[in-house]
Amino acid sequence: GENVEQHPSTLSVQEGDSAVIKCTYSDSASNYFPWYKQELGKGPQLIIDIRSNVGEKKDQRIAVTLNKTAKHFSLHITETQPEDSAVYFCAAGKTSYDKVIFGPGTSLSVIP
Amino acid sequence: GAGVSQSPSNKVTEKGKDVELRCDPISGHTALYWYRQSLGQGLEFLIYFQGNSAPDKSGLPSDRFSAERTGGSVSTLTIQRTQQEDSAVYLCASSPPRGNNSPLHFGNGTRLTVT
Repeated sequence: GENVEQHPSTLSVQEGDSAVIKCTYSDSASNYFPWYKQELGKGPQLIIDIRSNVGEKKDQRIAVTLNKTAKHFSLHITETQPEDSAVYFCAAGKTSYDKVIFGPGTSLSVIP
Repeated sequence: GAGVSQSPSNKVTEKGKDVELRCDPISGHTALYWYRQSLGQGLEFLIYFQGNSAPDKSGLPSDRFSAERTGGSVSTLTIQRTQQEDSAVYLCASSPPRGNNSPLHFGNGTRLTVT
């Protein structure tokens, strides 16, 4: 089955700097790669997703890149703000309407 | 609009007791998922419903765990003879019918503590 790894497990950046989180997956049949943000005491919320027919996608300060050959995908957050502090999860699945397998998470702290 | 609703938000039970966790998905969402999140860990897939049937229940950890969904809506996750290792946050998610942009929408979870 699918296995998703995620690095780093914790990340601390100064406000205004960029943050990068990297994930790898094992199942070459996976074609859907969402990213979720989880704040304390709440369920994860989708922040951006990418499908395998696209190499890069951007939405304001966040961007995702996908290298399907290497089975790598990354989340980039620019101009970080304190409200970006949360746990971020990458995930992989065959389609957007099947189960997705989550990575272990990255705890991001943005220092004002 | 209303999101995914889970109840109770917190549950403390004694080892060996049975518990039922409830999930009300977003209206019109046909798929429903249960995940488990242990303290400081990622999300572990448990079971997935499409309508009332469960095509994938591969993540249920043991036969003490079961889930059902009725009327294509509410789902209940039941844990029998609870053990301390069952302590975790149980998250439910739903997604719209296939063919739409179908990301998972999560509830805030039920925090289960087995003493």
